[in-house]
Amino acid sequence: AQTVTQSQPEMSVQEAETVTLSCTYDTSESNYYLFWYKQPPSRQMILVIRQEAYKQQNATENRFSVNFQKAAKSFSLKISDSQLGDTAMYFCAFMRAYGGSQGNLIFGKGTKLSVKP
Amino acid sequence: KAGVTQTPRYLIKTRGQQVTLSCSPISGHRSVSWYQQTPGQGLQFLFEYFSETQRNKGNFPGRFSGRQFSNSRSEMNVSTLELGDSALYLCASSLSASSYNEQFFGPGTRLTVL
Repeated sequence: AQTVTQSQPEMSVQEAETVTLSCTYDTSESNYYLFWYKQPPSRQMILVIRQEAYKQQNATENRFSVNFQKAAKSFSLKISDSQLGDTAMYFCAFMRAYGGSQGNLIFGKGTKLSVKP
Repeated sequence: KAGVTQTPRYLIKTRGQQVTLSCSPISGHRSVSWYQQTPGQGLQFLFEYFSETQRNKGNFPGRFSGRQFSNSRSEMNVSTLELGDSALYLCASSLSASSYNEQFFGPGTRLTVL
């Protein structure tokens, strides 16, 4: 079974600084997808960034980038130039690439990020 | 394009009752997944529907069931409610059942069981 672990329950960062959120996962699959989702206090979950395991290049989306280490099963999220609107719960998630589990996102417990002015 | 909508947004029930939650996916999306979010267990997958068929089911008791209609709208039902069923229930839709497709989440239904 796949598991996702986020070891930092809470983090804080000053506005405009950079912060890195950690995520490790366990799987025997060779191909899969990894995601970071953001859930602001209003509760609407939105996708921040996605990484396909067979792609070695780290995904980036504007101020958000990942450090994907497949051998180490590590998938950290870096937020550059943090903004007050980045305050939210961040969830790391795993999904198998094929088989009968495409709709099944496996989430970590989340990291509560607070951006301070 | 309208996002994923869930109704009702808030619900209060008592133990032993049953409840039905509704999810309307983004227009054109045919896959709907349901998740339960609690402070203790976090986000857990309930089930996934595609083209009116349940493709996937999480590790929940049979009291939790769902269905999908021909217009892709989905409902989930919880019978014989227990206190531990109090949670935020999230619905997510995607274009198809492929892992590549992004899942778009609704605002959730907050269920409180007294």
